[in-house]
Amino acid sequence: EPEVTQTPSHQVTQMGQEVILRCVPISNHLYFYWYRQILGQKVEFLVSFYNNEISEKSEIFDDQFSVERPDGSNFTLKIRSTKLEDSAMYFCASSALQGAKDTQYFGPGTRLTVL
Amino acid sequence: DAKTTQPPSMDCAEGRAANLPCNHSTISGNEYVYWYRQIHSQGPQYIIHGLKNNETNEMASLIITEDRKSSTLILPHATLRDTAVYYCISGYNKLIFGAGTRLAVHP
Repeated sequence: EPEVTQTPSHQVTQMGQEVILRCVPISNHLYFYWYRQILGQKVEFLVSFYNNEISEKSEIFDDQFSVERPDGSNFTLKIRSTKLEDSAMYFCASSALQGAKDTQYFGPGTRLTVL
Repeated sequence: DAKTTQPPSMDCAEGRAANLPCNHSTISGNEYVYWYRQIHSQGPQYIIHGLKNNETNEMASLIITEDRKSSTLILPHATLRDTAVYYCISGYNKLIFGAGTRLAVHP
C-alpha cells in the first residue's frame, strides 16, 4: 500500500540554524500539505501546495517558512532560522484531489528539536 | 477553530463496540465529515469519511444523522490497539483538528 514517507525521523538543531524537512508524497498525488504538532497540543495546519504554488497557508507559516517541490518526488519544508518554539512534530500529507472529496494521507512525522 | 465538538475521553472494553460521537452542527452542504486517529505521536491515520450516507469500511462504520449535524464512529470490536485519540473533522481543504476524543480500550 502506498504511503507518505518523511526524513529524517528526528532532527536536532541549534537555534538560528536552517533546517529542511523532507517528504515523499504518494506518487500519483497532486496536493501536498504540512502540519505541525507541538508536544501535548493539537495538530495545526501550516500550508497546502499545488502545481508548484502555495494554495493556502496559516498564520503560523510566516516568512521563516518556505516549501518547495524540487523534483518530481520530494516535497520539502524549510525553516530559515529556527526558534525554540519551532520544536514540534512536523507531518507531511498528500491527496490526489483537493477539497472535501478526497482524503489526506499523513506521513509518520519528523520530530524537530531546537536547542 | 475546529467546527466539531467531541467528548474529551471515553472508555471501552476490549471486544465491545466503541461508539464515538461528534457534533458538527455548523457543517455546510459540501463539507465531508472525516475521522482520523492518532496513536501516541504518530501521524494521523485516516479511518473513514462521509457526506450524507452511512459508510462502512474494514476499519469502522460511520453513521451520519439525516440533518448532518452529528455523526457517530463505530469500531465494532475494539482491541487494545485501538487505544488512540480520535478526531472528527469537517472541512473542505485544510484539516482543522480539534482536541479529539481519547479512547482507552481496556481488557
